[in-house]
Amino acid sequence: AQSVTQLGSHVSVSEGALVLLRCNYSSSVPPYLFWYVQYPNQGLQLLLKYTSAATLVKGINGFEAEFKKSETSFHLTKPSAHMSDAAEYFCAVSVEAAGNKLTFGGGTRVLVKP
Amino acid sequence: DGGITQSPKYLFRKEGQNVTLSCEQNLNHDAMYWYRQDPGQGLRLIYYSQIVNDFQKGDIAEGYSVSREKKESFPLTVTSAQKNPTAFYLCASSIALLAGELFFGEGSRLTVL
Repeated sequence: AQSVTQLGSHVSVSEGALVLLRCNYSSSVPPYLFWYVQYPNQGLQLLLKYTSAATLVKGINGFEAEFKKSETSFHLTKPSAHMSDAAEYFCAVSVEAAGNKLTFGGGTRVLVKP
Repeated sequence: DGGITQSPKYLFRKEGQNVTLSCEQNLNHDAMYWYRQDPGQGLRLIYYSQIVNDFQKGDIAEGYSVSREKKESFPLTVTSAQKNPTAFYLCASSIALLAGELFFGEGSRLTVL
């Protein structure tokens, strides 16, 4: 079965600094990978997805993620944090062999300091 | 605008009572899902449905029930058998079953007093 581990349940960054959120996956077959963002008391919104095309994926709001098969990672980055980036971020994985069922990580809450 | 509407946003219930959470979508999506969110645990799948009058248990279906009488609607009932029902509940939909890219509602927060 596939699984996702997000390193760090909370991350604090200064406004204008690099945002780096770590995600490692476990899967015996090629995965599809996703990052979702959740603002307080709201549902999740898709940031970006990897579906076996380019390994560097660009998403909304200036975020991007790189798929590294050798490291089984899909870390999310943004060069310069903005106050509006304060939210919780979820990494998720799915595989065709499991019917494309999404498995979510535990989430990383981002705090942006002025 | 197309989207998913969940109601109520906040709900309180006493122990032993059943409660039904509403989920309506106008995206013309075939598949719909219910997730439960608890702090630090990510999202866990309760039930999902591919088509009308058909639904499947997810990872934590015990104490919950659903129906899918219309394509647009997928209500979730939290029964008195659910041991720890206080949580944030999210409804989602996708074009096809388990297609990966989900569209979420804004959630319903249930608190058991």
